[in-house]
Amino acid sequence: SSELTQPPSVSVSPGQTATITCSGDKLGDTYACWYQQKPGQSPVLVIYQNNKRPSGIPERFSGSNSGNTATLTISGTQAVDEADYYCHAWDRSTGVFGGGTKLTVL
Amino acid sequence: EVQLVQSGAEVKKPGESLKISCKGSGYSFTFYWIAWVRQMPGKGLEWMGIIYPGDSETRYSPSFQGQVTISVDKSISTAYLQWSSLRASDTAMFYCARLSHGIASRSYMDVWGKGTTVTVSS
Repeated sequence: SSELTQPPSVSVSPGQTATITCSGDKLGDTYACWYQQKPGQSPVLVIYQNNKRPSGIPERFSGSNSGNTATLTISGTQAVDEADYYCHAWDRSTGVFGGGTKLTVL
Repeated sequence: EVQLVQSGAEVKKPGESLKISCKGSGYSFTFYWIAWVRQMPGKGLEWMGIIYPGDSETRYSPSFQGQVTISVDKSISTAYLQWSSLRASDTAMFYCARLSHGIASRSYMDVWGKGTTVTVSS
């Protein structure tokens, strides 16, 4: 998966489910993770190894990865979830980031 | 507490050299790869390269090979990113991050520094 493609933007209403995709050749054959970045802050890991949540990350964040697509799902989206989200995977010994998705909570 | 502390913001002129740092604490620095990530103003995250403090093995993204140098001084738990001749296009935020499981598909960046802003302007 030398290139990962994300939608530039996703909009969601508070309380609804946000879905952010990350596409790459045979991405499902490897692990994907997701980072959240709010303005002026460092990225924060929200999903690792496809579907695991680090300590401190709310249960509303979940992930999956199959085929050519990894998906980050935020259930019951809150205003505090508004941020940029980046997927990441490995291509041999090089890390690759997706282009990022700006999540807007309207 | 596990943390990576990065050096402060830099303002440089084109053609100048620069070395920024990333100091690890609260864990065995020698045994975890460190990654460097660039974020240009208003843009996304870009993978630059990684280094293993134990033996200084370094791997660069093709996009950054020859453009920067990644090094480490394990005696002071510090990784570095350096430029020999800066360009205006090097203006960006640079993050260091710890890799959880080395160079493996299951690895992820579990600890991030706060970033170092580099501004290159005449």
